This record gives sequence, structure tokens and C-alpha cells, in this order.
Amino acid sequence: ELKVEQNPLFLSMQEGKNYTIYCNYSTTSDRLYWYRQDPGKSLESLFVLLSNGAVKQEGRLMASLDTKARLSTLHITAAVHDLSATYFCAVDKTPGNTPLVFGKGTRLSVIA
Amino acid sequence: DAMVIQNPRYQVTQFGKPVTLSCSQTLNHNVMYWYQQKSSQAPKLLFHYYDKDFNNEADTPDNFQSRRPNTSFCFLDIRSPGLGDAAMYLCATSRGQGAPYEQYFGPGTRLTVT
Repeated sequence: ELKVEQNPLFLSMQEGKNYTIYCNYSTTSDRLYWYRQDPGKSLESLFVLLSNGAVKQEGRLMASLDTKARLSTLHITAAVHDLSATYFCAVDKTPGNTPLVFGKGTRLSVIA
Repeated sequence: DAMVIQNPRYQVTQFGKPVTLSCSQTLNHNVMYWYQQKSSQAPKLLFHYYDKDFNNEADTPDNFQSRRPNTSFCFLDIRSPGLGDAAMYLCATSRGQGAPYEQYFGPGTRLTVT
């Protein structure tokens, strides 16, 4: 059974600081997704990582994937308040046909 | 713009009164999904359709049913809602084969059961 674990589950960080969110998964997969969710809203796709060593960056967020370690990271650089949200990683349940298994999410709060 | 649309955005129903939630997509995607998300939890997959093929998750209660009459529309029927069914219901789509593989989510329907 595929399991996806994120840590930390809660993160309070100061503006301007850097931090990394980790996503581990239990079985072989080479497709990992990061989503952002604001309170009361739906999920917004941030990154799609499709191969070992994939790295993608958008603004202050950078995501990477190490399929051998079954690990993805979401790195936050110089955090700003607008990044406050819940971040989910998700992995394909089976290759090719795509129900996702989600991590529990990391609730990020950026404070002044 | 191509998108995933859910109606209604907010639904209030009485305990035991059947309710139907609607999802439509203009992306022409093969796969449509229904997720249930309770407060401060991850989305939980209820079922998905690959074209007309229905796939039910093993732990989805029988109280939940789904219909996909055509490529564009998918419905979630809750036959006898209980208080525990109050949640955000998210519809998503994906191409199903070939990149990109990501899922596109609709805005969700927040269901309240009184």
C-alpha cells in the first residue's frame, strides 16, 4: 500500500527565512505533485515532478524529486506572508493511471 | 478558459435527504475524480471514472454513488447524508494517459448537513 508522509505538519516561520518541507513515500513512483490550498479553497497545482532529479522553481518555491530515496522537498526561500497556506504532496497510486495518494499536508504560517 | 466547474458551491441538506453534487469540465479529460475533504485533512478519493469505467475505492461507503453520463459531466449522489458527511467535495480531472499527468481541481462544493 502506498503511503505518503509529510513533515512537518505545522510550520510557523518568520518572513525572510528559509525552510524545507519533506515528502516521503513508500513505494516506487516517479511522479510526484505539489499542491497549495488556501483556507476554504480548492487545490492549486504548484509543481509536477516526473523524473528522478527533477527540479522546478516558481518564485520563492523550489521543488525537487529523488526517486531513489523516495523523497521530494519543497524549499521556501525568503518567506513572505502570501505563502501562508497548506501544502500537499501527492504521489500516483499506480503508474499510468492516476489516482493520487496525498500526504496529510503542511500548514504553513508566515509571520512578520 | 478550459476549466473544472462544480455546482453548487455551497449546499445545505437535511439529515437523510438525498443530495446531488455536479461537476463539469471543458478540458476533454478522460479521467474524473471525486474527493472528500474534511477540515484540516487531506483529500480522500471516493471514486474515479476512466472514460466510462467506474472505479470505487474499497472504503467508500455505499451511501455514495456516482454517475458519468458523458465525458463532460460527473455527478456525486449521497443517498442518505449523515452528519459525518459534511465536508468539502472536490472534483478533479486528468488526461489519464501521456504527459502531463497532473490533476486539475474544481473549486469544490461545501456540504452542510443539518
